[in-house]
Amino acid sequence: AQSVTQLGSHVSVSEGALVLLRCNYSSSVPPYLFWYVQYPNQGLQLLLKYTTGATLVKGINGFEAEFKKSETSFHLTKPSAHMSDAAEYFCAQPHSGAGSYQLTFGKGTKLSVIP
Amino acid sequence: DSGVTQTPKHLITATGQRVTLRCSPRSGDLSVYWYQQSLDQGLQFLIQYYNGEERAKGNILERFSAQQFPDLHSELNLSSLELGDSALYFCASSGGAAANSPLHFGNGTRLTVT
Repeated sequence: AQSVTQLGSHVSVSEGALVLLRCNYSSSVPPYLFWYVQYPNQGLQLLLKYTTGATLVKGINGFEAEFKKSETSFHLTKPSAHMSDAAEYFCAQPHSGAGSYQLTFGKGTKLSVIP
Repeated sequence: DSGVTQTPKHLITATGQRVTLRCSPRSGDLSVYWYQQSLDQGLQFLIQYYNGEERAKGNILERFSAQQFPDLHSELNLSSLELGDSALYFCASSGGAAANSPLHFGNGTRLTVT
C-alpha cells in the first residue's frame, strides 16, 4: 500500500532559522507530490506541488521542496522562519482507485516558531 | 478563500443520532472528496464523487453515506453516531480526477458526539 511518512510530528524553530520538514513517499507512478498547510481552525491550503520537470519546486510564502527520487523524499524548506509560519504541514501523494486518484496524506508535522 | 463552502461549521449531537454535512465545491469543479480528520487517525479519505457519480470509496463506515447532486453540491450523511465519530470532516474539490489535480479544501465541519 502506498504511504507517506512525515518524520517528526512536532518541529520547533526559532524565528529567522531554517525550516526543514521531512517527507518520504512510497515510490509510485506517477510521482506527483503535494505539500499542504493547515492553520488553526482552517482547512488545508496548497503550498506547492511537484508533477514533472524541475525537481526544485517553489511554493507560496517562501517555501520550497525538492523531489529526490533516489531517496524517495520531498522535504519542505524555508530559509527563514516567520511567526506566521506556525501551522501544521501535510505531505501528500495520490493513489489510484477505481480509475481515479485520491490523495493520501502523511500524519502531519506541527511547526512551532519561537520568538 | 478556497471557494469551497461547508456548512455547518460546528455540530454537536448525541450518540445514536443522524446528521447531514453539506459541501458546495468551487465553481466549475466536478470532483468532490470527503475526508475525516481526527487526532489518532489523521486525515482519512472517505469517498469521492465526480459529476454526480461515486468514483471511489476509502475508509468510510457503512453508517456513513454521501451523494452529489446535479448542481454538484454534496452531502455526507452520518447515522447511528458514536463517540468515536467526533472529528473534523473536510470536503475538497478539484477540477478533475487526475493524479496531478490539487485539492481545494473547505474549512471543515467540526462534529462533536456526546
